[in-house]
Amino acid sequence: AQSVTQLDSQVPVFEEAPVELRCNYSSSVSVYLFWYVQYPNQGLQLLLKYLSGSTLVKGINGFEAEFNKSQTSFHLRKPSVHISDTAEYFCAVRINKLVFGAGTILRVKS
Amino acid sequence: DVKVTQSSRYLVKRTGEKVFLECVQDMDHENMFWYRQDPGLGLRLIYFSYDVKMKEKGDIPEGYSVSREKKERFSLILESASTNQTSMYLCASSLARYAAFFGQGTRLTVV
Repeated sequence: AQSVTQLDSQVPVFEEAPVELRCNYSSSVSVYLFWYVQYPNQGLQLLLKYLSGSTLVKGINGFEAEFNKSQTSFHLRKPSVHISDTAEYFCAVRINKLVFGAGTILRVKS
Repeated sequence: DVKVTQSSRYLVKRTGEKVFLECVQDMDHENMFWYRQDPGLGLRLIYFSYDVKMKEKGDIPEGYSVSREKKERFSLILESASTNQTSMYLCASSLARYAAFFGQGTRLTVV
């Protein structure tokens, strides 16, 4: 069975600092990988996705993620965060259906 | 821009009531999804539909049903609401078989 683990429930970081939100998955077959963002009191937005090809995927708002097959990871990164990046971030994995992680709350402090 | 509209942001219903949550998308997407979101559990798929009048059970379909009579509209029905169905409900649509565009959510409280 596929599963997704987001290793941190909350990540506090200062503005303009780099950030990495970690995501590991378990699957014995090829997967599609996704990151979604949910701003306060809003629905989710698709941030980026890996379907095939280059393992480094760039998304909206300066975020990127790297697919590491050997580590079964898909960590999300941003080199310099803004206050407006404060949100909850969800990693998701799809084989025959989409399975979401529990979410990581990113809190950007000034 | 794609728009997915959920009819209510907040709802309060009584135990045993039949509850309808409506979702409309304006981009002619074949695929539509209903999720519930609970703290610490992420999103869990209730039902999805890949065409009009077609539906598939997700991970937690018990206590729910769906209706898709028109391509743009996907309704979630709680046949007899219970307190453990208090949650945030999110509708999504997509051209692909993964959810790409979400509505703003309906926070349902069952008392």
